[in-house]
Amino acid sequence: GAGVSQSPRYKVAKRGQDVALRCDPISGHVSLFWYQQALGQGPEFLTYFQNEAQLDKSGLPSDRFFAERPEGSVSTLKIQRTQQEDSAVYLCASSLGGTQPQHFGDGTRLSIL
Amino acid sequence: DQQVKQNSPSLSVQEGRISILNCDYTNSMFDYFLWYKKYPAEGPTFLISISSIKDKNEDGRFTVFLNKSAKHLSLHIVPSQPGDSAVYFCAASEGKAIFGQGTRLTINP
Repeated sequence: GAGVSQSPRYKVAKRGQDVALRCDPISGHVSLFWYQQALGQGPEFLTYFQNEAQLDKSGLPSDRFFAERPEGSVSTLKIQRTQQEDSAVYLCASSLGGTQPQHFGDGTRLSIL
Repeated sequence: DQQVKQNSPSLSVQEGRISILNCDYTNSMFDYFLWYKKYPAEGPTFLISISSIKDKNEDGRFTVFLNKSAKHLSLHIVPSQPGDSAVYFCAASEGKAIFGQGTRLTINP
């Protein structure tokens, strides 16, 4: 497809487990963003890549959160030792950069039991 | 501290009438603003944007107005259609996007 693809769509994990969320951006988009959206709230910024470089990770809530984009395309958001407060929808977006609008995937709904 | 605020959690409008969604921001350094529309279980979809050097941008039924002195922007949808029923987010961009909490718009037939 031509849009941003995220997998899995739903993930259930037990507290303490590690999870990995995948994002396939639109081909040719140099900028990639991760957001966390809690129920009833707007998306909150987590981290930003320009190609393979992670230029801003100021939104990552703790050192249990780690993101990578090693070849400047697919990105993975990893959460270690998950906790219940990590339950949320994780959204990935990509753009051509600059002031070009971000295009979002449908998100991964993460539930931590 | 919320830098982008949408103070109306919900709005109900009759089909064919104008829908006006409002958004306030606090940081005068924001240079670009966007509106997104979101259906359940889907990601936000880009609708329309405006640069801080403009005060109006129009695209079909959608118009965004920016009042920099009041740090306020609004989205006008006219005429409103049932398919416009969704949650609308405004966002301010400084590279990354900072989103408001969203307004749920319901268009009544």
